[in-house]
Amino acid sequence: VQLVESGGGVVQPGRSLRLSCAASEFTFSTYPMHWVRQTPGKGLEWVAVVSSDAGNKYYADSVKGRFTISRDNSKNTLYLQLTSLRPEDTAVYYCAAEGGTGYYLEYWGQGTLVTVSS
Amino acid sequence: SYVLTQPPSVSVAPGQTARITCGGNNIGSKSVHWYQQKPGQAPVLVVYNENDRPSGIPERFSGSISGNTATLTISRVEAGDEADYYCQVWDISTDHRVFGGGTKVTVL
Repeated sequence: VQLVESGGGVVQPGRSLRLSCAASEFTFSTYPMHWVRQTPGKGLEWVAVVSSDAGNKYYADSVKGRFTISRDNSKNTLYLQLTSLRPEDTAVYYCAAEGGTGYYLEYWGQGTLVTVSS
Repeated sequence: SYVLTQPPSVSVAPGQTARITCGGNNIGSKSVHWYQQKPGQAPVLVVYNENDRPSGIPERFSGSISGNTATLTISRVEAGDEADYYCQVWDISTDHRVFGGGTKVTVL
Protein backbone atom coordinates (compact mmCIF):
# COMPACT_ATOMS: atom_id res chain seq x y z
CA VAL A 1 0.00 0.00 0.00
CA GLN A 2 1.27 3.42 -0.93
CA LEU A 3 -0.17 6.82 -0.13
CA VAL A 4 1.88 9.80 -1.30
CA GLU A 5 0.83 13.32 -0.40
CA SER A 6 1.87 16.43 -2.33
CA GLY A 7 0.96 20.08 -2.66
CA GLY A 8 2.19 21.43 0.64
CA GLY A 9 4.23 24.59 0.95
CA VAL A 10 4.33 28.10 2.35
CA VAL A 11 1.21 30.21 1.79
CA GLN A 12 0.04 33.56 3.06
CA PRO A 13 -2.95 33.88 5.40
CA GLY A 14 -6.22 34.07 3.54
CA ARG A 15 -4.88 32.25 0.49
CA SER A 16 -5.71 28.79 -0.81
CA LEU A 17 -3.90 25.53 -1.44
CA ARG A 18 -4.82 22.11 -2.80
CA LEU A 19 -3.31 18.95 -1.40
CA SER A 20 -3.26 15.65 -3.27
CA CYS A 21 -2.80 12.08 -2.13
CA ALA A 22 -1.92 9.48 -4.76
CA ALA A 23 -2.85 5.93 -3.83
CA SER A 24 -1.48 2.69 -5.19
CA GLU A 25 -1.20 -1.02 -4.41
CA PHE A 26 -4.72 -1.29 -3.00
CA THR A 27 -8.31 -0.92 -4.19
CA PHE A 28 -8.62 2.79 -3.53
CA SER A 29 -12.22 3.02 -4.70
CA THR A 30 -13.48 0.77 -1.90
CA TYR A 31 -11.93 2.67 1.01
CA PRO A 32 -13.25 5.71 2.85
CA MET A 33 -10.40 8.23 2.94
CA HIS A 34 -9.36 10.78 5.54
CA TRP A 35 -7.16 13.78 6.11
CA VAL A 36 -5.51 14.11 9.51
CA ARG A 37 -3.18 16.95 10.49
CA GLN A 38 -0.52 17.48 13.11
CA THR A 39 0.82 20.83 14.21
CA PRO A 40 4.59 20.53 14.75
CA GLY A 41 5.26 19.16 18.21
CA LYS A 42 1.56 18.59 18.90
CA GLY A 43 -0.98 15.79 18.63
CA LEU A 44 -3.08 14.38 15.81
CA GLU A 45 -6.22 16.21 14.70
CA TRP A 46 -8.78 14.55 12.44
CA VAL A 47 -9.75 16.92 9.59
CA ALA A 48 -12.19 15.28 7.18
CA VAL A 49 -13.49 12.04 5.68
CA VAL A 50 -15.01 11.14 2.32
CA SER A 51 -16.88 7.88 1.71
CA SER A 52 -15.69 5.42 -0.90
CA ASP A 53 -18.18 6.68 -3.49
CA ALA A 54 -17.72 10.34 -2.51
CA GLY A 55 -21.36 10.51 -1.51
CA ASN A 56 -20.72 11.50 2.09
CA LYS A 57 -18.27 13.99 3.53
CA TYR A 58 -17.72 15.14 7.09
CA TYR A 59 -15.45 17.81 8.53
CA ALA A 60 -13.96 18.84 11.85
CA ASP A 61 -15.57 22.00 13.21
CA SER A 62 -12.21 23.80 12.93
CA VAL A 63 -12.16 23.52 9.12
CA LYS A 64 -15.83 23.24 8.16
CA GLY A 65 -16.73 25.79 5.52
CA ARG A 66 -13.08 26.43 4.61
CA PHE A 67 -11.74 23.02 3.55
CA THR A 68 -13.22 20.64 0.97
CA ILE A 69 -12.37 16.96 0.68
CA SER A 70 -12.87 15.16 -2.62
CA ARG A 71 -11.66 12.14 -4.52
CA ASP A 72 -11.26 10.88 -8.06
CA ASN A 73 -11.53 7.10 -8.07
CA SER A 74 -10.55 6.94 -11.73
CA LYS A 75 -7.21 8.51 -10.80
CA ASN A 76 -6.82 6.83 -7.38
CA THR A 77 -6.36 10.27 -5.87
CA LEU A 78 -7.67 12.06 -2.81
CA TYR A 79 -7.75 15.85 -2.53
CA LEU A 80 -8.08 18.52 0.13
CA GLN A 81 -8.84 22.07 -0.96
CA LEU A 82 -7.78 24.52 1.74
CA THR A 83 -9.17 28.06 1.56
CA SER A 84 -9.14 31.11 3.85
CA LEU A 85 -6.02 29.70 5.44
CA ARG A 86 -5.02 30.79 8.93
CA PRO A 87 -1.69 30.53 10.77
CA GLU A 88 -3.23 27.87 13.01
CA ASP A 89 -3.71 25.66 9.93
CA THR A 90 0.06 25.22 9.82
CA ALA A 91 0.62 21.47 10.14
CA VAL A 92 1.72 18.27 8.50
CA TYR A 93 -1.28 16.91 6.61
CA TYR A 94 -1.60 13.14 6.33
CA CYS A 95 -3.97 11.19 4.15
CA ALA A 96 -5.18 7.87 5.52
CA ALA A 97 -7.31 4.96 4.35
CA GLU A 98 -9.98 3.61 6.64
CA GLY A 99 -9.96 -0.15 6.99
CA GLY A 100 -12.62 -2.72 7.67
CA THR A 101 -15.26 -2.18 10.32
CA GLY A 102 -14.67 -0.08 13.39
CA TYR A 103 -13.65 3.13 11.66
CA TYR A 104 -9.89 2.89 12.15
CA LEU A 105 -7.17 4.36 9.93
CA GLU A 106 -5.32 1.42 8.51
CA TYR A 107 -2.90 2.98 6.02
CA TRP A 108 -1.17 6.36 6.24
CA GLY A 109 0.89 8.50 3.92
CA GLN A 110 4.09 10.25 5.00
CA GLY A 111 2.49 13.67 5.10
CA THR A 112 2.98 17.06 3.47
CA LEU A 113 3.78 20.24 5.39
CA VAL A 114 1.60 23.31 5.03
CA THR A 115 2.95 26.53 6.51
CA VAL A 116 0.66 29.54 6.70
CA SER A 117 2.72 32.66 7.23
CA SER A 118 3.04 36.16 5.88
CA SER B 1 -17.98 16.94 21.01
CA TYR B 2 -16.50 13.71 22.30
CA VAL B 3 -13.25 13.98 24.25
CA LEU B 4 -10.54 11.38 24.86
CA THR B 5 -8.07 12.00 27.68
CA GLN B 6 -4.57 10.50 27.80
CA PRO B 7 -1.69 11.10 30.23
CA PRO B 8 1.05 13.20 28.61
CA SER B 9 3.81 10.78 29.43
CA VAL B 10 4.62 7.30 30.71
CA SER B 11 8.07 6.03 31.63
CA VAL B 12 9.04 2.38 31.79
CA ALA B 13 12.19 0.32 32.15
CA PRO B 14 13.18 -2.16 29.45
CA GLY B 15 11.54 -5.53 29.94
CA GLN B 16 8.74 -4.09 32.07
CA THR B 17 5.11 -3.42 31.16
CA ALA B 18 3.81 -0.05 29.96
CA ARG B 19 0.14 0.82 30.33
CA ILE B 20 -1.27 3.80 28.47
CA THR B 21 -4.77 4.90 29.39
CA CYS B 22 -7.44 6.63 27.35
CA GLY B 23 -10.48 7.98 29.14
CA GLY B 24 -13.80 8.86 27.57
CA ASN B 25 -17.46 8.97 28.50
CA ASN B 26 -19.02 5.55 27.92
CA ILE B 27 -15.95 4.50 25.94
CA GLY B 28 -16.91 0.86 26.46
CA SER B 29 -19.66 1.32 23.89
CA LYS B 30 -17.15 2.33 21.21
CA SER B 31 -14.45 0.62 19.18
CA VAL B 32 -11.08 1.93 20.35
CA HIS B 33 -7.98 2.02 18.18
CA TRP B 34 -4.35 2.78 18.99
CA TYR B 35 -1.54 4.28 16.90
CA GLN B 36 2.20 4.48 17.42
CA GLN B 37 4.13 7.44 16.06
CA LYS B 38 7.90 7.68 16.14
CA PRO B 39 9.68 11.03 15.60
CA GLY B 40 9.55 12.20 12.00
CA GLN B 41 7.32 9.32 10.93
CA ALA B 42 3.66 8.82 10.12
CA PRO B 43 1.41 7.09 12.65
CA VAL B 44 1.13 3.32 12.51
CA LEU B 45 -1.94 1.35 13.60
CA VAL B 46 -0.95 -1.06 16.39
CA VAL B 47 -4.31 -2.12 17.85
CA TYR B 48 -7.80 -1.83 16.37
CA ASN B 49 -11.27 -2.71 17.60
CA GLU B 50 -10.06 -2.73 21.20
CA ASN B 51 -7.72 -5.73 20.99
CA ASP B 52 -6.99 -6.80 17.42
CA ARG B 53 -3.53 -6.38 15.91
CA PRO B 54 -2.66 -5.70 12.27
CA SER B 55 -0.27 -8.15 10.70
CA GLY B 56 3.30 -7.45 11.70
CA ILE B 57 2.46 -5.96 15.09
CA PRO B 58 3.97 -8.00 17.94
CA GLU B 59 1.76 -9.81 20.44
CA ARG B 60 3.38 -7.62 23.09
CA PHE B 61 0.84 -4.94 22.14
CA SER B 62 -2.66 -5.51 23.52
CA GLY B 63 -5.73 -3.48 24.33
CA SER B 64 -8.54 -3.60 26.85
CA ILE B 65 -11.46 -1.56 28.14
CA SER B 66 -12.84 -1.26 31.66
CA GLY B 67 -15.46 1.24 32.64
CA ASN B 68 -14.71 4.60 31.07
CA THR B 69 -11.08 3.78 30.34
CA ALA B 70 -9.34 1.99 27.49
CA THR B 71 -5.79 0.77 28.00
CA LEU B 72 -2.98 -0.07 25.62
CA THR B 73 -0.56 -2.49 27.25
CA ILE B 74 2.96 -3.01 25.96
CA SER B 75 4.58 -6.07 27.53
CA ARG B 76 8.32 -6.68 27.71
CA VAL B 77 9.05 -3.14 26.59
CA GLU B 78 11.95 -2.61 24.20
CA ALA B 79 13.91 0.51 23.36
CA GLY B 80 12.23 0.55 19.96
CA ASP B 81 8.82 1.02 21.58
CA GLU B 82 9.74 4.57 22.57
CA ALA B 83 7.20 6.71 20.72
CA ASP B 84 4.01 8.72 21.01
CA TYR B 85 0.81 6.69 21.27
CA TYR B 86 -2.67 7.91 20.37
CA CYS B 87 -6.08 6.40 21.01
CA GLN B 88 -8.94 7.02 18.57
CA VAL B 89 -12.68 6.36 18.35
CA TRP B 90 -15.56 7.08 16.04
CA ASP B 91 -18.09 9.58 17.40
CA ILE B 92 -21.36 8.21 16.07
CA SER B 93 -23.26 11.40 16.86
CA THR B 94 -21.17 13.48 14.44
CA ASP B 95 -19.51 10.83 12.26
CA HIS B 96 -16.21 12.41 13.27
CA ARG B 97 -13.09 10.50 14.22
CA VAL B 98 -11.63 11.62 17.54
CA PHE B 99 -8.04 11.31 18.74
CA GLY B 100 -6.74 11.47 22.26
CA GLY B 101 -4.05 14.02 23.03
CA GLY B 102 -1.28 11.43 22.87
CA THR B 103 1.08 9.84 25.37
CA LYS B 104 4.85 9.93 25.08
CA VAL B 105 6.35 6.62 26.16
CA THR B 106 9.93 6.89 27.37
CA VAL B 107 12.04 3.77 27.84
CA LEU B 108 14.43 4.39 30.69
